[in-house]
Amino acid sequence: NAGVIQTPRHKVTGKGQEATLWCEPISGHSAVFWYRQTIVQGLEFLTYFRNQAPIDDSGMPKERFSAQMPNQSHSTLKIQSTQPQDSAVYLCASSLVRDNYEQYFGPGTRLTVL
Amino acid sequence: SQWGEENLQALSIQEGEDVTMNCSYKTYTTVVQWYRQKSGKGPAQLILIRSNEREKRSGRLRATLDTSSQSSSLSITGTLATDTAVYFCDATSSGQKLVFGQGTILKVYL
Repeated sequence: NAGVIQTPRHKVTGKGQEATLWCEPISGHSAVFWYRQTIVQGLEFLTYFRNQAPIDDSGMPKERFSAQMPNQSHSTLKIQSTQPQDSAVYLCASSLVRDNYEQYFGPGTRLTVL
Repeated sequence: SQWGEENLQALSIQEGEDVTMNCSYKTYTTVVQWYRQKSGKGPAQLILIRSNEREKRSGRLRATLDTSSQSSSLSITGTLATDTAVYFCDATSSGQKLVFGQGTILKVYL
């Protein structure tokens, strides 16, 4: 079991460019979460899928952020027109759905917007 | 101690010492989880304690839960340099988003 895989590990974009982050959850896990982590804000929830369906996107900045889960083996987080304040570590986590609390995190993608 | 709205706390101790960190939470919960995040890695669950357990042990870790005061603690005995990390607690429901406080930075030096 390779754990949750996130690619790329590091991404540098210029202001106004697009960034797409990839996440491969642990096989058999039906819940996928995206978080953003910064020193100042800590861990911030972005969005959550269960069985590929979007369940809660209350943390997503509405205008430039979008997330999809086209199949059970991967999810993407897309940020359009990146801004310097989008610089953060983006973490993906997966978990079993039924009566399970533990979330398994990937190593994160460090996004730097210049 | 840590809480969703508290400032980040930092502890620096020598290897071999014991340490206890505290966490308070706002809403009723049946479970508290403790996670550890090492530099460059995502958080990883260390221990989960349920409301019907006042204490839970796992190796060198001991977690307590006091539902009346809505607080939990995590103790590490005989710390190692490899315990250096940021420690978070979470008191949310199963299958829901995690809500971490700012965490406790623990540095264990040789």
